Amino acid sequence: DQQVKQNSPSLSVQEGRISILNCDYTNSMFDYFLWYKKYPAEGPTFLISISSIKDKNEDGRFTVFLNKSAKHLSLHIVPSQPGDSAVYFCAATPRSGTSYGKLTFGQGTILTVHP
Amino acid sequence: SAVISQKPSRDICQRGTSLTIQCQVDSQVTMMFWYRQQPGQSLTLIATANQGSEATYESGFVIDKFPISRPNLTFSTLTVSNMSPEDSSIYLCSVEQVGGRSSYNEQFFGPGTRLTVL
Repeated sequence: DQQVKQNSPSLSVQEGRISILNCDYTNSMFDYFLWYKKYPAEGPTFLISISSIKDKNEDGRFTVFLNKSAKHLSLHIVPSQPGDSAVYFCAATPRSGTSYGKLTFGQGTILTVHP
Repeated sequence: SAVISQKPSRDICQRGTSLTIQCQVDSQVTMMFWYRQQPGQSLTLIATANQGSEATYESGFVIDKFPISRPNLTFSTLTVSNMSPEDSSIYLCSVEQVGGRSSYNEQFFGPGTRLTVL
């Protein structure tokens, strides 16, 4: 049972345009969501997070939107740069209970930004 | 953010042998985790490394196969025992720490250990 899903295995975007990466979840206990970027041969790098009490969080070129009723979140990168080309993982966790801090990851989306 | 190092960075092992992976953090952290990323797959949590007590394993992972030590708040080891080719994966440790950009703790990952079992 895939509790966190990224249905687009890949996304190709032109430099300077917006990249939108999507993520859906099924577990209602998840109330904290994170996005990671991963280059080959490196560990995931934390990008941005959002708690379920918010519907938007911004950090520079990165914005995460959360639609709690639809159990959907998205990561917007504006403007996209070639250096953003990587695998992006969505992750979710409950902030209480025995599963506190345990991240459940989506399958990842390969983002390619063309110059 | 915490600086996390892992040793070895990669290894090629024969089936039936065991490999111990080390994770070192440059500051004391309460929560440390071990994840696995099999080829072409997402990251899956193996266990939570608890300081001073036994690790807490996720469904599908057992202590006999993946013994974990956590002797203090900056160090942990994961052993992959009696390896088979199906254990070929990237093994990653992570720590939870106050990240500064949010009011919640954030989770940071080490660079990973790429294991190939022949």
